[in-house]
Amino acid sequence: GAVVSQHPSRVICKSGTSVKIECRSLDFQATTMFWYRQFPKQSLMLMATSNEGSKATYEQGVEKDKFLINHASLTLSTLTVTSAHPEDSSFYICSANQDRVSNFGAGTRLSVL
Amino acid sequence: QKEVEQDPGPLSVPEGAIVSLNCTYSNSAFQYFMWYRQYSRKGPELLMYTYSSGNKEDGRFTAQVDKSSKYISLFIRDSQPSDSATYLCAMSDVGNQFYFGTGTSLTVIP
Repeated sequence: GAVVSQHPSRVICKSGTSVKIECRSLDFQATTMFWYRQFPKQSLMLMATSNEGSKATYEQGVEKDKFLINHASLTLSTLTVTSAHPEDSSFYICSANQDRVSNFGAGTRLSVL
Repeated sequence: QKEVEQDPGPLSVPEGAIVSLNCTYSNSAFQYFMWYRQYSRKGPELLMYTYSSGNKEDGRFTAQVDKSSKYISLFIRDSQPSDSATYLCAMSDVGNQFYFGTGTSLTVIP
């Protein structure tokens, strides 16, 4: 099946720093990728849709300036959490669709101290 | 009303039991149906994929889709402790818009 690689898997950072998370489609091209946030024992919450070559589409309530998304190529989307604070600590997951199936990355656990 | 409804559980069963996980949906336009398994602190992994109505079997797993009732199921036979995870249903329409259930937490007790 299609593989989506997400890096890093774990980040611990100080409050006020920015953190970049990468999502790559390894064996297929993805014009659209999705970014989710997941709190413990809760479901996936769609944050934004990343579109190659154009602006991302953010879900209601998600701060665009806080969560910067760049989709510069057909295989790479990045999510940057700017000036991270403890309340941004969460599990972030990306996905990309191929052949009517949504393929997920392994997730990134962000802890902001 | 949510597009996809899924009982969050938690569901706890003894090893060897048959597990039944279910989702209901409201949008008759959904054509593609998936089940994902998510272990703690990992990304969801695709378990089963079904197009339109019918059954699909893969080892101990069987996926059923009943479009007339807008109801999908995942059955796990001879459940194992390694099956302990959260199971997410997902579905999409021809426009490739995906909708996910909230996930059901399953624990298989040895």
